[in-house]
Amino acid sequence: QLQLQESGPGLVKPSETLSLTCTVSGGSISSSSYYWGWIRQPPGKGLEWIGSIYYSGSTYYNPSLKSRVTISVDTSKNQFSLKLSSVTAADTAVYYCANGTAMVTWGQGTLVTVSS
Amino acid sequence: EIVMTQSPATLSVSPGERATLSCRASQSVSSNLAWYQQKPGQAPRLLIYGASTRATGIPARFSGSGSGTEFTLTISSLQSEDFAVYYCQQYNNWPPSHTFGQGTKLEIK
Repeated sequence: QLQLQESGPGLVKPSETLSLTCTVSGGSISSSSYYWGWIRQPPGKGLEWIGSIYYSGSTYYNPSLKSRVTISVDTSKNQFSLKLSSVTAADTAVYYCANGTAMVTWGQGTLVTVSS
Repeated sequence: EIVMTQSPATLSVSPGERATLSCRASQSVSSNLAWYQQKPGQAPRLLIYGASTRATGIPARFSGSGSGTEFTLTISSLQSEDFAVYYCQQYNNWPPSHTFGQGTKLEIK
């Protein structure tokens, strides 16, 4: 059974880079059938797709965030990562990792607060 | 960019009754449409993919329909555990994108 777990700092200063990692267990991140994605949810608001990476390494980003986002895969650790640069308070949200195009499996989410 | 619009924003329904939620895409997404349920403090749960296929373990009272730009999620007989926020999501094949609707809150009447 596939499981995903987000990890990373819960507090990031404005203008710095937010970095999160999603660890995959119960399956290989190199599976040819999977997209791996990041989604966020500001407090009290809806879901926003950030971007996805395919097992081949191809990446696809939300156009509104594309200039600040990098998603990468580390197959040796069965992990994929998110970097979001130049953060502001508007980037405060629960960040989820998930797999699939229709997202079947989700991590529990991690709250990242942007504040000095 | 494909925009997903859900209606209504809030739906009040009594337990045992039917609920119908709508989702509209700004351009055709074929059948590349999923529905999710989210309860407070929890991650979203996939209910429907391919516009009409129930995900594993999802009760038969949940059904999805539609294609192109108009989609519907129907819950045939509401149970207490069904009151939650529901999101639709398109997953376009090319270029890959995954846009969510703004959500419909299903509340007890």
